[in-house]
Amino acid sequence: EAQVTQNPRYLITVTGKKLTVTCSQNMNHEYMSWYRQDPGLGLRQIYYSMNVEVTDKGDVPEGYKVSRKEKRNFPLILESPSPNQTSLYFCASSPQGYSGYTFGSGTRLTVV
Amino acid sequence: QKEVEQNSGPLSVPEGAIASLNCTYSDRGSQSFFWYRQYSGKSPELIMFIYSNGDKEDGRFTAQLNKASQYVSLLIRDSQPSDSATYLCAGNTGNQFYFGTGTSLTVIP
Repeated sequence: EAQVTQNPRYLITVTGKKLTVTCSQNMNHEYMSWYRQDPGLGLRQIYYSMNVEVTDKGDVPEGYKVSRKEKRNFPLILESPSPNQTSLYFCASSPQGYSGYTFGSGTRLTVV
Repeated sequence: QKEVEQNSGPLSVPEGAIASLNCTYSDRGSQSFFWYRQYSGKSPELIMFIYSNGDKEDGRFTAQLNKASQYVSLLIRDSQPSDSATYLCAGNTGNQFYFGTGTSLTVIP
């Protein structure tokens, strides 16, 4: 089944403790992207990647890191999480970017 | 700041009616526009995208784009209770995507 898989689905952590949210797609898509979704603010793009080793910032990159060492994987790293990073995170992939993205199931992160 | 604005609703329509969802965008350089459906607690699902002025139809859905007015709309014909969801409008400029906050639609049986 074609899908974008994120793990974990739910995560509660403490301020300052480094964490990684994994994302993997099995559709051989070139483009991958991370979003966060907050009430009243909608979906905001954090980072995106056009191919292996090619990444760029979205609208809200501060406090996040990404890497794209393999085509299928695009992990999101929070080196020192803070409470304002409590949010619902989505990973997404697309064959060409301009044709729209397929989203993963989401990761609900709470930073206390 | 690139923005997409949507009426948050809620929008209620009776079953079988046409639901009309609208959004406006700020960046004239935006290339394509997307409509996503998001059920409560689920991830967004792409319904369709449009990049040329005019209408694009896919089954019960019609997307409309007017670049001069910077306006995008989605019509849902023969609305069904299963169409009850939040509808997200999005645009892109290059590889950067920006989303509206969504319109909540309820289809009343």
